[in-house]
Amino acid sequence: SQQGEEDPQALSIQEGENATMNCSYKTSINNLQWYRQNSGRGLVHLILIRSNEREKHSGRLRVTLDTSKKSSSLLITASRAADTASYFCATPQIGGSNYKLTFGKGTLLTVNP
Amino acid sequence: ETGVTQSPTHLIKTRGQQVTLRCSSQSGHNTVSWYQQALGQGPQFIFQYYREEENGRGNFPPRFSGLQFPNYSSELNVNALELDDSALYLCASSLAGIAGVTGELFFGEGSRLTVL
Repeated sequence: SQQGEEDPQALSIQEGENATMNCSYKTSINNLQWYRQNSGRGLVHLILIRSNEREKHSGRLRVTLDTSKKSSSLLITASRAADTASYFCATPQIGGSNYKLTFGKGTLLTVNP
Repeated sequence: ETGVTQSPTHLIKTRGQQVTLRCSSQSGHNTVSWYQQALGQGPQFIFQYYREEENGRGNFPPRFSGLQFPNYSSELNVNALELDDSALYLCASSLAGIAGVTGELFFGEGSRLTVL
């Protein structure tokens, strides 16, 4: 089952604009992560935000986390055509001896040159 | 480049056949996880291997099985293939204990399986 749900499912913007994607999740988490996937290829880890953090930056990426609303957002500033990809939020299983991530369905971002 | 390699990249099988997918983890990583990603969906956890033993399993039937070898590489085997098994199969490696701290999984490029 999907733990996180991204919104919107698809987003199309012009180069230079900002892109904002949202993620909602259902259960308690100790961190939330965002991954990027170029068309049909592997996933690349972008950023992790811990449950005691509210905002985190990495280059042109800004992630926020609101644990009271069980939601997160990913902002990509000054987007480039190369940012075109699917973006997934993921939450880890808490406890247990293994480590698995539960992914949402993703947001397909298209950045038009 | 994540250092995780998967083979084959693409393959086509027919219903009822069996398939083996292979994964070489990033150097030094001792844990391998497998995910299934259907078209338009997010990856779904199949299972994880640590020290050559299955260490956690998602909601997949027993015909999905795996192996991990002493060099930490891994195989995913699927028996009695069904049409719904058509998907991108992703392998991810990590270092046990560290992944829980850093959170990051390192994914391969995947094996695209089509079942006809």
